[in-house]
Amino acid sequence: EIVLTQSPATLSLSPGERATLSCRASQSVSSYLAWYQQKPGQAPRLLIYDASNRATGIPARFSGNGSGTDFTLTINSLEPEDFAVYYCQQRSNWPPITFGQGTRLEIK
Amino acid sequence: QVQLVESGGGLVKPGGSLRLSCAASGFTLSDYYMSWIRQAPGKGLEWVSSISTTGSSIYYADSVKGRFTISRDNAKNSVYLQMNSLRAEDTAVYHCARGGVRWFDPWGQGTLVTVSS
Repeated sequence: EIVLTQSPATLSLSPGERATLSCRASQSVSSYLAWYQQKPGQAPRLLIYDASNRATGIPARFSGNGSGTDFTLTINSLEPEDFAVYYCQQRSNWPPITFGQGTRLEIK
Repeated sequence: QVQLVESGGGLVKPGGSLRLSCAASGFTLSDYYMSWIRQAPGKGLEWVSSISTTGSSIYYADSVKGRFTISRDNAKNSVYLQMNSLRAEDTAVYHCARGGVRWFDPWGQGTLVTVSS
């Protein structure tokens, strides 16, 4: 099973700043990595698929990068609605499909 | 618009059974893999099961294999999760999601399953 480790667990930033979230895989997942955003009481929403492709309707301030074992999600110029929990997910060697444990992005 | 609505959750005793349903609308269900993903209270996401477009290929997490059964009825635009021999650790919000081979999009709001005596 491929383990995804996200860091940091919590990131405290102010609106307008840039957020950089990390996801590291225990073995290569090629580019088969996705990112999701989850707000309290809501279902997760797909942000990025195949490491760097924005999903439909996702603002350009969200970008994904990486391949192999190291991936980043960058959010430029944070908006108030961006404060949420973010998860990465791999589908390289499945089953099982696995998720990271999440990074909580909170307002500083 | 694309919508997934889960139902069937509730309170059940350990060892009991529940059947979850997912009603799909706004897209052709038979064109997509479908999946169930759960989230224990205050915890992260755990993939549970996926089913191919025709139901010919089915996958389960080890934690539910032999106890849960995923199925679909494309004519009724529905996906199901039969859960037997439920345990306390199965307590979670169960989300239905479109996809399963690559990524999940969109997700339903989920239905809460609580396993407690």
